[in-house]
Amino acid sequence: DVKVTQSSRYLVKRTGEKVFLECVQDMDHENMFWYRQDPGLGLRLIYFSYDVKMKEKGDIPEGYSVSREKKERFSLILESASTNQTSMYLCASSEGGWGYTFGSGTRLTVV
Amino acid sequence: ELKVEQNPLFLSMQEGKNYTIYCNYSTTSDRLYWYRQDPGKSLESLFVLLSNGAVKQEGRLMASLDTKARLSTLHITAAVHDLSATYFCAAFPMDSNYQLIWGAGTKLIIKP
Repeated sequence: DVKVTQSSRYLVKRTGEKVFLECVQDMDHENMFWYRQDPGLGLRLIYFSYDVKMKEKGDIPEGYSVSREKKERFSLILESASTNQTSMYLCASSEGGWGYTFGSGTRLTVV
Repeated sequence: ELKVEQNPLFLSMQEGKNYTIYCNYSTTSDRLYWYRQDPGKSLESLFVLLSNGAVKQEGRLMASLDTKARLSTLHITAAVHDLSATYFCAAFPMDSNYQLIWGAGTKLIIKP
């Protein structure tokens, strides 16, 4: 089975900090995604990547950047964390046009 | 542009009852997915439906696809409390192999 691992389940960061959320998948998937999920707003795509060093903006990229230096790792970066970035962050990977496998999620609180 | 709509968005029901969640999509898609999310947890894949008339079943859950009507249903038979979760449907646009388009999710609460 594909495994997608997010490095932290819970994080608490201070406003203005630079925050790194790490995601690693172990099945050589081409595509990787970062979503945030907030109550009543469903899943919102932040960024995705279809190849190493390639990235595409999703629906809500403002305040975020990403890095994909290796195929298995996709990092989400909050350059200067703000309280409105408090959320559940979900990483996913996929191969071709098939469904996604999700990581366990990171619940980030910015204080 | 593909849009995916689920209804209802919230459903509270008694154990032992049957109910159906509906997933409509606006343009042609050849791949329809259902996912489950338990409270505070991530999403796990339930079903993938690839062709008109496709039906998949696991336990008390059955999903079906009508591509002509652009409709998928998730039917719950004799609901039990353990099925309480949020259920998402998602579809790929015909011109994309990357980005699934998600419904808003249906929060299902099953009362003992």
